[in-house]
Amino acid sequence: SQQGEEDPQALSIQEGENATMNCSYKTSINNLQWYRQNSGRGLVHLILIRSNEREKHSGRLRVTLDTSKKSSSLLITASRAADTASYFCATDASGGSNYKLTFGKGTLLTVNP
Amino acid sequence: DVKVTQSSRYLVKRTGEKVFLECVQDMDHENMFWYRQDPGLGLRLIYFSYDVKMKEKGDIPEGYSVSREKKERFSLILESASTNQTSMYLCASSTGRLSNYGYTFGSGTRLTVV
Repeated sequence: SQQGEEDPQALSIQEGENATMNCSYKTSINNLQWYRQNSGRGLVHLILIRSNEREKHSGRLRVTLDTSKKSSSLLITASRAADTASYFCATDASGGSNYKLTFGKGTLLTVNP
Repeated sequence: DVKVTQSSRYLVKRTGEKVFLECVQDMDHENMFWYRQDPGLGLRLIYFSYDVKMKEKGDIPEGYSVSREKKERFSLILESASTNQTSMYLCASSTGRLSNYGYTFGSGTRLTVV
């Protein structure tokens, strides 16, 4: 069952611009995570934000979480061509299995040089 | 450098064959997972294991089985491969409960069933 849904499905920007991707989910969560996937490869964990946190930073990444709206956003500042990838949100639903994440379908980000 | 290693990057098998996809992690993680990824459908969980010899069905277990005889190895088995099992298969591992530390993924196996 799909928990998180990313928006937009695809995003194309110029190098140096900021990229914002959104994720909405349906049920209460313990935490929400963002992953990156380069074409044809495995996913790489970027950042985790817990349900009692509102904002988190890691380098050029900024993640916000609004549990009242059941939504999260990932901001990549000063984008680079190397940021071109698919980005997925994943949720760990509270009350559900303590071990598994449910992933959205992803946002394909293209950063043009 | 910690790793999740999937035995093959590309695999071509015939319909009806029994197929084994192997995944090994060197991080002493308790939890291991098999997902398949298809265009427009995202990642879907097939099976996961939170301990040796333990397994639980994910969202789409039909046509698959798994084996976890050792902590570091989690095998996905396609009992009788079919063309609708052509997909990218991703193995992942994690430690602890509540997924506090995120997953580490392998590079994926692109399986084509002809």
